[in-house]
Amino acid sequence: DSGVTQTPKHLITATGQRVTLRCSPRSGDLSVYWYQQSLDQGLQFLIHYYNGEERAKGNILERFSAQQFPDLHSELNLSSLELGDSALYFCASSELGSMSTDTQYFGPGTRLTVL
Amino acid sequence: AQKITQTQPGMFVQEKEAVTLDCTYDTSDQSYGLFWYKQPSSGEMIFLIYQGSYDEQNATEGRYSLNFQKARKSTNLVISASQLGDSAMYFCAMRVFSNSGYALNFGKGTSLLVTP
Repeated sequence: DSGVTQTPKHLITATGQRVTLRCSPRSGDLSVYWYQQSLDQGLQFLIHYYNGEERAKGNILERFSAQQFPDLHSELNLSSLELGDSALYFCASSELGSMSTDTQYFGPGTRLTVL
Repeated sequence: AQKITQTQPGMFVQEKEAVTLDCTYDTSDQSYGLFWYKQPSSGEMIFLIYQGSYDEQNATEGRYSLNFQKARKSTNLVISASQLGDSAMYFCAMRVFSNSGYALNFGKGTSLLVTP
């Protein structure tokens, strides 16, 4: 158990819908990262938050947004869902986020299926 | 661009034998971190081991060790005394400052199957 929690574990929804994925980082970690894992794209970085502020964006679609709250939990919002958004979404946390040595610990993931 | 290459899509190893999973990387930065993660069929990503670019010694963590060759830009994972529970996908990742901040950049992974 990494100490990072994600809910829900599975999510099945229809095209055009909006969903929210939730993540709670390890105790003491200030950084939260979101990654998407799909068969064709592999593991891709979406967005990074540090202590409530957005720090970096990766290949995140405009239909997707995220935020980190004062209690450091984070939510990833996916809207106008398409079939291609079906993937495993990971949240990871790390203590700092500003060093190459900072280890990221992953949550169990949320498996999103868009029908 | 920062790139991670894992050239072995799949590997087989017999139980109790050692296996080496290859990983090469490409960066012009001097400061970076190299990580290995295990993803079993259940889906979670489990951190295994870390090697810093300035570390002079190869990292070890239980049955996991790294063969870090900085000049060749490779960091191969060695799993000793393989167990059936080691069957999983293994991902090599690099962390270096880029347009994506300090996000991890992953390779495509190697599927390891441990046979009895």
